[in-house]
Amino acid sequence: DVKVTQSSRYLVKRTGEKVFLECVQDMDHENMFWYRQDPGLGLRLIYFSYDVKMKEKGDIPEGYSVSREKKERFSLILESASTNQTSMYLCASSPNQPQHFGDGTRLSIL
Amino acid sequence: QKEVEQDPGPLSVPEGAIVSLNCTYSNSAFQYFMWYRQYSRKGPELLMYTYSSGNKEDGRFTAQVDKSSKYISLFIRDSQPSDSATYLCAAWDTGNQFYFGTGTSLTVIP
Repeated sequence: DVKVTQSSRYLVKRTGEKVFLECVQDMDHENMFWYRQDPGLGLRLIYFSYDVKMKEKGDIPEGYSVSREKKERFSLILESASTNQTSMYLCASSPNQPQHFGDGTRLSIL
Repeated sequence: QKEVEQDPGPLSVPEGAIVSLNCTYSNSAFQYFMWYRQYSRKGPELLMYTYSSGNKEDGRFTAQVDKSSKYISLFIRDSQPSDSATYLCAAWDTGNQFYFGTGTSLTVIP
């Protein structure tokens, strides 16, 4: 079974902090994705990566950056957290087939 | 217009009922269609995955794709309380992005 592991299930941070969300997959997948999920808005793509050190902007990249130094790890960075970034963050990986998701990080920015 | 449209519900049915969940899509380039199940406070779990038109059956679940009308459906037979979850439809054109519906919340009442 594919396993996508997100480092934290719940996280509380303060406005202005730099926040790191980590994601690791164990299936050697080329593609990795970061989404946020908000009620009524569904899944919105923030960034994705199709190879090590490669990244592409998704639909809502503003206020976020990513890092992919190793194939199995994809990090999402909130440069200066704001309250409107309170959300459920989901990481996914894919070998050019349907995506497999982690269990998400519920992030609250106070 | 969103690429994939899904009625958010909520949908409430008695145990044992047949459930029909539906989505429409706009991009004729979509080739692969997925259904995910998401329990509360968990990540989406891949339930069904179909290529092009036709039906695919897996136990109590049947996924149906009608490319002529750009319509995708998930049928759940003999629904159980454990089927209570949010169901997300998704489409993929074999590029780097996947397109998700906003999800339909289903409650199966014992």
